[in-house]
Amino acid sequence: EVQLLESGGGSVQPGESLTLSCATSGFTFTSYALSWVRRAPGKGLEWVSSFNGGREGRTYYADSVKGRFTVSRDTSKNTLYLQMDALTADDTAVYYCAKHPQQLIGTSWFDPWGQGTQVTVSS
Amino acid sequence: SYGVTQPLSVSVAQGQTATITCGGDNIGGLHVHWYQQKPGQAPVVVIYSDRFRPSGVPERFSGSNSGNTATLTITRAQLGDEADYYCQVWDTTTGVFGGGTKLTVL
Repeated sequence: EVQLLESGGGSVQPGESLTLSCATSGFTFTSYALSWVRRAPGKGLEWVSSFNGGREGRTYYADSVKGRFTVSRDTSKNTLYLQMDALTADDTAVYYCAKHPQQLIGTSWFDPWGQGTQVTVSS
Repeated sequence: SYGVTQPLSVSVAQGQTATITCGGDNIGGLHVHWYQQKPGQAPVVVIYSDRFRPSGVPERFSGSNSGNTATLTITRAQLGDEADYYCQVWDTTTGVFGGGTKLTVL
C-alpha cells in the first residue's frame, strides 16, 4: 500500500524558514514523480512544486514560491522535502504531498495524497 | 498563464444529477483531473484524464471534456457526495487548479 506521511509543519514568524518532509513507502521511490500542493484557509488548492522521478529528477515551482522554496529528495530515506525560506503570511496553509502515477509529471494526476501538515506564518 | 474557472457552488437534491463545470481556453486539448475534498480530509482523485474513474470511485461519477469546458457529472447524488470539487490541468510544467466548487446535496 502506498503511503505518504508529511511532517515538519508548525508556527513560524514572517521571514523565517521551515522544512517539510514527506516520508513514503509502498512503491519504488525514484520511479515516480512527487508534488507538493497546499490549501490556504478559506481558499482552494494551489500547486506548489514537483519533483520528477528518475535519476536526475527535474524540479518545478509555482511562481508564488520560486526563489524561496526548494524541493529535494533523499533516495536512501524515500523522503521528499520542501525547504521554505522567507515565509510570509500568504504561505499559511495545509501542505500536502502527493504521488504521480508515472515518472514524469507530464499530464498526470495526484494520487494518492498524504494527510497534510499545517504551516502557520504569523507575527 | 493558463487559468481555469469553476462555479463557486452547486446545489443538487438527493437522487438528482449534479454537474460541475471547469472552463478554460481550449481545455478540451488538455487532460483534466477532478478531485474531491471533504472537510478535514486530504483530496482524492475521482476522475483522471477527462473521463477515467479510479477503482473504488462509484460509477455515479463521470467526466467529459470538449471545447472550452470540462464537466464532472454526479448522478443519483447522495449526502456523502457533499464536498469541495477541484479540476486540475497542467500548463506545460505548471500545475493549475480551478478555484473549487462546493457541492451541497439538499
